[in-house]
Amino acid sequence: DAGVIQSPRHEVTEMGQEVTLRCKPISGHNSLFWYRQTMMRGLELLIYFNNNVPIDDSGMPEDRFSAKMPNASFSTLKIQPSEPRDSAVYFCASSFAPGSAYEQYFGPGTRLTVT
Amino acid sequence: AQKITQTQPGMFVQEKEAVTLDCTYDTSDQSYGLFWYKQPSSGEMIFLIYQGSYDEQNATEGRYSLNFQKARKSANLVISASQLGDSAMYFCAMRGSYGNKLVFGAGTILRVKS
Repeated sequence: DAGVIQSPRHEVTEMGQEVTLRCKPISGHNSLFWYRQTMMRGLELLIYFNNNVPIDDSGMPEDRFSAKMPNASFSTLKIQPSEPRDSAVYFCASSFAPGSAYEQYFGPGTRLTVT
Repeated sequence: AQKITQTQPGMFVQEKEAVTLDCTYDTSDQSYGLFWYKQPSSGEMIFLIYQGSYDEQNATEGRYSLNFQKARKSANLVISASQLGDSAMYFCAMRGSYGNKLVFGAGTILRVKS
């Protein structure tokens, strides 16, 4: 299997611009997670989906952030407008639930820099 | 709510020796899962090992084992025969009874010396 695929791997944008991060989960996985990693706050869950339905978006920091999962093989995380404090590495992860462990498999991450 | 505490910001170990990375957790759930992930300098997050709260045996995966002490609410990772490639950040994480989201600790940086 190809693993979780994220694009782009790096994104540099100016404050105020819209940013869209993309994720393709592992085929057959029915849960998808978006995380943000920063030095100050560590690894934070932003939102997760089960069977394409958002289950918990309590980690989404502001209305500037939105996420969609139109089908089982694709999800987007959008930031509009972006701000310098949004600079971070954004990970997408997927898992199969129900399963014995529900272990999550992470994509390579998107490093976002907002100037 | 779940909480994970990793008290060791950084650890050093000599190559070929064993090392234990500490993790304590807090939850009121009866059923939960504990995970360890490795993040090398390249940035990817690699799943290492899982322990379920009702598992009677400590989990093992190759050189990794999880020292699960339920009464103490600890889930320490033991790496045997350390290798230079083990140098990385290690995260302990927890899943509660409801839903399948993970809560992560702050991580421990491990450096293996030759």
